[in-house]
Amino acid sequence: AQKITQTQPGMFVQEKEAVTLDCTYDTSDPSYGLFWYKQPSSGEMIFLIYQGSYDQQNATEGRYSLNFQKARKSANLVISASQLGDSAMYFCAMRESDDKIIFGKGTRLHILP
Amino acid sequence: GAVVSQHPSWVICKSGTSVKIECRSLDFQATTMFWYRQFPKQSLMLMATSNEGSKATYEQGVEKDKFLINHASLTLSTLTVTSAHPEDSSFYICSAREGFSGRWTDTQYFGPGTRLTVL
Repeated sequence: AQKITQTQPGMFVQEKEAVTLDCTYDTSDPSYGLFWYKQPSSGEMIFLIYQGSYDQQNATEGRYSLNFQKARKSANLVISASQLGDSAMYFCAMRESDDKIIFGKGTRLHILP
Repeated sequence: GAVVSQHPSWVICKSGTSVKIECRSLDFQATTMFWYRQFPKQSLMLMATSNEGSKATYEQGVEKDKFLINHASLTLSTLTVTSAHPEDSSFYICSAREGFSGRWTDTQYFGPGTRLTVL
């Protein structure tokens, strides 16, 4: 069974609009971390935001926020005021106590001018 | 933030040859390094976990005799693709962990990746 599920293979969003990228996860480990990475066409993995399983508040980093709903096992990424430079592949990932980071299949985001 | 480099950034080789990819942590000591493979338009798949001074732990389905990993120092891990074939063509990315600090958010830093093309 997939541990990280991203149901949106691709999305088109108008510039300056907010966008939500979906991510659900599956784990029985009580202690885990959730990550979002951006991968532009150059291939590098750019860390965006992190949420710990015990964190009480949703994580925020500038225009990025993580909508963490623990009971639903979802960790959606919200990008406010999208920019053309946000066009990229976005991966949701999870790290469990074994220290491995497992990635979802990704969502390709296209920002339209 | 911490920097991880990979060399080469891209390589083209003939089928049957071996290719070595280096992963270096430039400003920290990495007790653990991870190797990932990413096929076009797909996600990153963990291949193996490399701990300094010990044998790598390979994920299920990854041939350890084909993908040789050496983590001889705290700043360098190498992945050697032996007898490469066209199906080994992929984007290989490493990540490095500094050490267990109790903080998860930035304990793994990714390299820029190496694009391997086997003709």
